[in-house]
Amino acid sequence: RKEVEQDPGPFNVPEGATVAFNCTYSNSASQSFFWYRQDCRKEPKLLMSVYSSGNEDGRFTAQLNRASQYISLLIRDSKLSDSATYLCVVSHMNSGYSTLTFGKGTMLLVSP
Amino acid sequence: DAGITQSPRHKVTETGTPVTLRCHQTENHRYMYWYRQDPGHGLRLIHYSYGVKDTDKGEVSDGYSVSRSKTEDFLLTLESATSSQTSVYFCAISGEGRGQPQHFGDGTRLSIL
Repeated sequence: RKEVEQDPGPFNVPEGATVAFNCTYSNSASQSFFWYRQDCRKEPKLLMSVYSSGNEDGRFTAQLNRASQYISLLIRDSKLSDSATYLCVVSHMNSGYSTLTFGKGTMLLVSP
Repeated sequence: DAGITQSPRHKVTETGTPVTLRCHQTENHRYMYWYRQDPGHGLRLIHYSYGVKDTDKGEVSDGYSVSRSKTEDFLLTLESATSSQTSVYFCAISGEGRGQPQHFGDGTRLSIL
């Protein structure tokens, strides 16, 4: 079983749509969770951390279900600039530093 | 943006030659990482460092070595480059403490012919 699994997509949505991505992880000892965004031929950039109670940052909402080992990202009112690959990332601590495991990403294409 | 600079940004070289990639940070973070990213594989950890002269292997360390003589610099060396090491290489840094995310440099595109 892959450690972090995501639907690769692409998800094709029109501007203004709401889109949701899901991610599952296999390591029950995972302690921290993140969504990163990666534009084509660019570095991954932190989009948001994911907290147990769920959290929101503008149009973006992240949810965590530890029992099901499942993370989600909801994007409301999609913009053309949201087109990117979204990476689900989980971490666990190892001797004081964080080891990150990356999903392969879900591609989002927002069209006019 | 996190103060991370990778050099060179692009490099083309031949099989069998040595290659060194440099990662420089201005954040004074203790932890530094080298990843490679390939189609179909996502990001994979090569080596990491948890302090000056303190390094350890990651998931795909064969064929790579690292050195960290100063807090701000983390070097990745391919002693004898092979075509399978053609990839995009990212350096990342993170602060101490639980739940700290990593922040990435711009990447180095390396082609081994």
